[in-house]
Amino acid sequence: EAQVTQNPRYLITVTGKKLTVTCSQNMNHEYMSWYRQDPGLGLRQIYYSMNVEVTDKGDVPEGYKVSRKEKRNFPLILESPSPNQTSLYFCASRTGTSFSYEQFFGPGTRLTVL
Amino acid sequence: DAKTTQPTSMDCAEGRAANLPCNHSTISGNEYVYWYRQIHSQGPQYIIHGLKNNETNEMASLIITEDRKSSTLILPHATLRDTAVYYCIVRVAGGKSTFGDGTTLTVKP
Repeated sequence: EAQVTQNPRYLITVTGKKLTVTCSQNMNHEYMSWYRQDPGLGLRQIYYSMNVEVTDKGDVPEGYKVSRKEKRNFPLILESPSPNQTSLYFCASRTGTSFSYEQFFGPGTRLTVL
Repeated sequence: DAKTTQPTSMDCAEGRAANLPCNHSTISGNEYVYWYRQIHSQGPQYIIHGLKNNETNEMASLIITEDRKSSTLILPHATLRDTAVYYCIVRVAGGKSTFGDGTTLTVKP
């Protein structure tokens, strides 16, 4: 089954404790992206990757890191989480074909930073 | 990137057609219009997209005006499960994606 998976689905942590949210897709997609969603603010893009070893900032990259060492994986790293990073996070992927924009989204990771 | 404007919320009676408008007056000639929806806190789901011509698939129809400055997503027979936030977005260059606030559609029995 074609899908995007995220782990963990729920996480409660404390300020300053490094964490990684994993994202994996099995569709051989070139493009992957991370979003955060907060009440009243819609979906905002954090980082995206056009292919392996190619990453770029989205609209709200501060406080986050990403890496794309393999095509299928795109982990989101919070080196020193803060309470303002409490949010619902989504990973997405799509084929790199220029006219295609059907993004497949993961189920989401709900992060709480105390 | 073209900015989109959608109503904050809409209601629709179950079984009736839901017509969701979107304004994108600054759209460029090579930009597509895409629609996604998000049910509760699940990951957004692709619905349909188009460039100039009207499009239809098993989920919905997309009507784009001739000047391409606005479009309408049509759910022909809305059900309670269609209650969701619907996002109208315009394709951006360079991979960056922008989702606006969307329209909260409530389908009522």
